[in-house]
Amino acid sequence: AQTIHQWPVAEIKAVGSPLSLGCTIKGKSSPNLYWYWQATGGTLQQLFYSITVGQVESVVQLNLSASRPKDDQFILSTEKLLLSHSGFYLCAWRLGVNTGQLYFGEGSKLTVL
Amino acid sequence: GDSVTQTEGQVALSEEDFLTIHCNYSASGYPTLFWYVQYPGEGPQLLFRASRDKEKGSSRGFEATYDKGTTSFHLRKASVQESDSAVYYCALSDPTSSFSKLVFGQGTSLSVVP
Repeated sequence: AQTIHQWPVAEIKAVGSPLSLGCTIKGKSSPNLYWYWQATGGTLQQLFYSITVGQVESVVQLNLSASRPKDDQFILSTEKLLLSHSGFYLCAWRLGVNTGQLYFGEGSKLTVL
Repeated sequence: GDSVTQTEGQVALSEEDFLTIHCNYSASGYPTLFWYVQYPGEGPQLLFRASRDKEKGSSRGFEATYDKGTTSFHLRKASVQESDSAVYYCALSDPTSSFSKLVFGQGTSLSVVP
């Protein structure tokens, strides 16, 4: 069975500090991976997606970056956090490219003060 | 671009009430449509999906029918329970999308009281 694990579960960070959020998928080789962001009470906005190791496509510019250093790992980061980065970050994987459902992780809650 | 519109932002019901959450979409291609449910502090999980006109998706007593004519995929349940309280998202996946994007609606927060 496939499992998806996100870390950390929650972070409280200062404006201007760096951030790194991680996601690991087990039990599925070469998954399509996604990062989504959800403001409090808001909808889900796709940030990045990756089809293969080393390749990441940006969907929305939010002063964030993503990397895929391993087949089963997806990292979201920034060197300087903004207040607007607060929210819920969700990693997801997908079977098919355009028709398959998304399987989400439990999410990482980020509070920027 | 592709978009999904959910009419209701918040819905408050009593147990055994009938639920309807309206979802309309706009897409250039022939999208697959989804309903996701999200409980507090968790990631969204799929309720069901439909990929053809007139196809009905269903799960846990919820159902929706793909209607290409009215570009709709309304969520319905005949009798809601307190445990159905959650946020519901309608979403679409457009096969003509250049970057494999799943577009979500704004979400509808359902609160069911006993």
